[in-house]
Amino acid sequence: EAGVAQSPRYKIIEKRQSVAFWCNPISGHATLYWYQQILGQGPKLLIQFQNNGVVDDSQLPKDRFSAERLKGVDSTLKIQPAKLEDSAVYLCASSQGQPLEQYFGPGTRLTVT
Amino acid sequence: AQSVTQLDSQVPVFEEAPVELRCNYSSSVSVYLFWYVQYPNQGLQLLLKYLSGSTLVESINGFEAEFNKSQTSFHLRKPSVHISDTAEYFCAVSGPNDMRFGAGTRLTVKP
Repeated sequence: EAGVAQSPRYKIIEKRQSVAFWCNPISGHATLYWYQQILGQGPKLLIQFQNNGVVDDSQLPKDRFSAERLKGVDSTLKIQPAKLEDSAVYLCASSQGQPLEQYFGPGTRLTVT
Repeated sequence: AQSVTQLDSQVPVFEEAPVELRCNYSSSVSVYLFWYVQYPNQGLQLLLKYLSGSTLVESINGFEAEFNKSQTSFHLRKPSVHISDTAEYFCAVSGPNDMRFGAGTRLTVKP
């Protein structure tokens, strides 16, 4: 069974530029999550999708972050414009339903200079 | 909402020594508890989980954790660690709608 796929693995941009991350969850997993993991901290949930609907985006900085999950499969997370404090690893995870046993992708390491 | 506290940010131990990584949680509802491991430049991997039933749960690589409801704890233990166990370990608590992670404990196993 293929795992959660993410791309790119690494990205370096200058502040005020925009960037997009892509995630392909495990086949059949209805729930998809985006986390931000700042160095030295645990993952923080940014947004949770159930199929193509948003369940929780309370911690998503909506003035600069956006995410979509068209057709309830792949998802894209965008930052526009980026700030220095956005430097982090962005993790995508998926699960079959409830937030039980989430499966994580390898993450995208973003560096904003 | 749930919250998780990992009491130690770093735990250095020698190879073959026992180790305990501490985790306490708070929640007003029934929860599920998890330990995830993160090796350098990789995503999180599920190590073990407590959903219900026996309060002692084990992983395939020798780790175990015990759910203690009265102390609201879910400490991770291993009787004898290996160099390959060096990684970041995250405790997580899941309620009906979301999952919260602790800040992580960096386990460093020295030869």
